[in-house]
Amino acid sequence: DVKVTQSSRYLVKRTGEKVFLECVQDMDHENMFWYRQDPGLGLRLIYFSYDVKMKEKGDIPEGYSVSREKKERFSLILESASTNQTSMYLCASSPSRPWGAAFFGQGTRLTVV
Amino acid sequence: QKEVEQDPGPLSVPEGAIVSLNCTYSNSAFQYFMWYRQYSRKGPELLMYTYSSGNKEDGRFTAQVDKSSKYISLFIRDSQPSDSATYLCAIGSGSARQLTFGSGTQLTVLP
Repeated sequence: DVKVTQSSRYLVKRTGEKVFLECVQDMDHENMFWYRQDPGLGLRLIYFSYDVKMKEKGDIPEGYSVSREKKERFSLILESASTNQTSMYLCASSPSRPWGAAFFGQGTRLTVV
Repeated sequence: QKEVEQDPGPLSVPEGAIVSLNCTYSNSAFQYFMWYRQYSRKGPELLMYTYSSGNKEDGRFTAQVDKSSKYISLFIRDSQPSDSATYLCAIGSGSARQLTFGSGTQLTVLP
């Protein structure tokens, strides 16, 4: 059974903290993605990676960075958490073919207070 | 204009009804068309995947793509209460490494 695992289901952090969200996939997929999901705004792409050490900005990269040192692991970093980063964060992975057939993790609900 | 437009609903139907969910898109370069289902407090799961115009059927679900109109649909036959979820369309371009989601339609099937 394919699996994308996010390190936490729920997180509460303070404004200004550096926050790490971890994601691991066991399907040997080339591509990995970080999205945030907010009511009325849908899924918005923060960053994606198509290979180890490779990354591309998505639609809303400001305030975030990513790291992909190993193929199976993709980390999202909030450099200095702010209250407007309170959201559901979803990690996904997909093969290169067929493109877009993404498998999602269960999500991390992050609250910044 | 958003690249992918989806009616957010909410949509409420009685059990056994045929459900029609729709998305439109603006970029003709998109090649791949997907539907995801998301239950409350869960991540989305891939339901249907297609890359050509026409229909694709899987059990009670049929995905329809009309590239000339830039319009995609998901039909659910004999809807069940367990189909109650948010349905997200997603459209991708492998060459552009782009995968864009609609905002989702919330569906409730009433017993």
